[in-house]
Amino acid sequence: GDSVTQMEGPVTLSEEAFLTINCTYTATGYPSLFWYVQYPGEGLQLLLKATKADDKGSNKGFEATYRKETTSFHLEKGSVQVSDSAVYFCALNAIYGGATNKLIFGTGTLLAVQP
Amino acid sequence: ETGVTQSPTHLIKTRGQQVTLRCSSQSGHNTVSWYQQALGQGPQFIFQYYREEENGRGNFPPRFSGLQFPNYSSELNVNALELDDSALYLCASSFGGQGDGELFFGEGSRLTVL
Repeated sequence: GDSVTQMEGPVTLSEEAFLTINCTYTATGYPSLFWYVQYPGEGLQLLLKATKADDKGSNKGFEATYRKETTSFHLEKGSVQVSDSAVYFCALNAIYGGATNKLIFGTGTLLAVQP
Repeated sequence: ETGVTQSPTHLIKTRGQQVTLRCSSQSGHNTVSWYQQALGQGPQFIFQYYREEENGRGNFPPRFSGLQFPNYSSELNVNALELDDSALYLCASSFGGQGDGELFFGEGSRLTVL
């Protein structure tokens, strides 16, 4: 079945460091891919998405490119801030019977940014 | 614009009991999904309701059931609680049964089963 694998955390970085969080997926068909973020004490929020191969999603300085050939959707940011500390989830949209918005999530990666 | 709200935020039950969790969807949204997030894991899809009908279900037993009301709010009911049901239950709303994966999540209801 469809699945998402992302790198385990925690990832600890100093402010202004470069961030990469790896995500690979297994899916039948052509899913859309997402990164959701969960800040402490808050619900999950959509960070960025890409709906087809070679699309690049971007938001708040974060980027991820949908790579069909490597089945990957790695999250990157050039310079992290303390406020980026959160849990990041990679997810794909499994089209379930054509009528369901079912997301399959990875296990999440905790990012801790130190000043 | 009102976001997704869930209640209660925390609750403790004992094994064998029943629980009802509630969710108010974001204004303008007609679709509600429920997810279970165990500690240290990603959310897992339980089911989705669109226009008051279930239109998709994950790998959860029938003792997990739900409802959606005409105002698009929703309930998740779990009967015969088991210890493994301890988790954060997330409600998410969206517009349209065939969504594009952009969900708006509430902060969740944390259930502890003793």
